[in-house]
Amino acid sequence: DTGVSQNPRHKITKRGQNVTFRCDPISEHNRLYWYRQTLGQGPEFLTYFQNEAQLEKSRLLSDRFSAERPKGSFSTLEIQRTEQGDSAMYLCASSSKRRQETQYFGPGTRLLVL
Amino acid sequence: DQQVKQNSPSLSVQEGRISILNCDYTNSMFDYFLWYKKYPAEGPTFLISISSIKDKNEDGRFTVFLNKSAKHLSLHIVPSQPGDSAVYFCAASDAGGTSYGKLTFGQGTILTVHP
Repeated sequence: DTGVSQNPRHKITKRGQNVTFRCDPISEHNRLYWYRQTLGQGPEFLTYFQNEAQLEKSRLLSDRFSAERPKGSFSTLEIQRTEQGDSAMYLCASSSKRRQETQYFGPGTRLLVL
Repeated sequence: DQQVKQNSPSLSVQEGRISILNCDYTNSMFDYFLWYKKYPAEGPTFLISISSIKDKNEDGRFTVFLNKSAKHLSLHIVPSQPGDSAVYFCAASDAGGTSYGKLTFGQGTILTVHP
């Protein structure tokens, strides 16, 4: 059990560029979540995968955001035409079938849009 | 609409004393509650959880209490240590419902434990 990993850890981009983040969940965890955290706030839910199926998306996830989990293992979150308001910490979490109520988080990707 | 609230932005405690962090929620569908600890530039680390069928859960120095009628939970840390200094988040989910276990977080409380 190596924990949830996320890459890159930091990303600086210019407004209007596209960015993609990757999350590798804990091995054999079938549930994967993306959250976004801004300064002074708790994480906010963005989207959820069970295996490869994306089952729920938050209203926070505008049409510039897309997430995939093609083989039910790692996941990617892409933001197109980034805006300064997208600057935040993007967190990935996973949970297992056996203990699905408890989510384990990765270290996050900090995005700064200039 | 803030469904999970941590009304104390910060708490300062002397080493060895008890730290009590509080959390209130409004959604009666929440049936599972968790506490996470977060250091700067890291993701949240799971600490302890409690199901709504219990009113107390203990794990070493950490105890979580749940008062369903008041929609209130608290995290007790005894004894507090300087290494406990971090931001603590309360989170809740409708684990038995149709929300797929997504977590709703409070705003966090910054705990500082002084030597």
